[in-house]
Amino acid sequence: EAEVAQSPRYKITEKSQAVAFWCDPISGHATLYWYRQILGQGPELLVQFQDESVVDDSQLPKDRFSAERLKGVDSTLKIQPAELGDSAMYLCASIRSGTYNEQFFGPGTRLTVL
Amino acid sequence: GENVEQHPSTLSVQEGDSAVIKCTYSDSASNYFPWYKQELGKGPQLIIDIRSNVGEKKDQRIAVTLNKTAKHFSLHITETQPEDSAVYFCAAWGSNYQLIWGAGTKLIIKP
Repeated sequence: EAEVAQSPRYKITEKSQAVAFWCDPISGHATLYWYRQILGQGPELLVQFQDESVVDDSQLPKDRFSAERLKGVDSTLKIQPAELGDSAMYLCASIRSGTYNEQFFGPGTRLTVL
Repeated sequence: GENVEQHPSTLSVQEGDSAVIKCTYSDSASNYFPWYKQELGKGPQLIIDIRSNVGEKKDQRIAVTLNKTAKHFSLHITETQPEDSAVYFCAAWGSNYQLIWGAGTKLIIKP
């Protein structure tokens, strides 16, 4: 069964350092989402891609966060510099097309900033 | 703006009893309502969904009901089992192919 892949699964870093997360969606899924989930809360959308284009990054803290999906397949989310408040689970999800379809989630990357 | 309210935040039921989680959405244009289950340390997984042209949908022990007039939808789990313990999220399809998420319900199944 096809799955969304994410790496690393866990990341511990010190504040002011740079971190990067990688996501490989299910093959053929054109829409890709990055979410941030703080423990005990629902997922918060950070950025949405359609193929290689950003559809919505209104909730992305652009002073420190960046995201790219250069070839419209896998994607990278970067934080530089990391802050204590960035400690969270970072989830990647994808859907097959732009209509009502199940969002498939990866296992997430648990980030701890010390 | 668009939002989804979910209640209760925590639900504790005896094993074998039923559990009901309720959500209310604000965008009358929403047409798709999924429910996700999230176990500790894992990403959310879809367990059931319903579209606006249907009032109820069942899948074994899980059912979802939708009242579009009242903008309510609910998740029903019957004959609860220990493996049902998790956090459950409701969501509604908003604009720009995005989901609007509820805050989650922590379901605890007591043995």
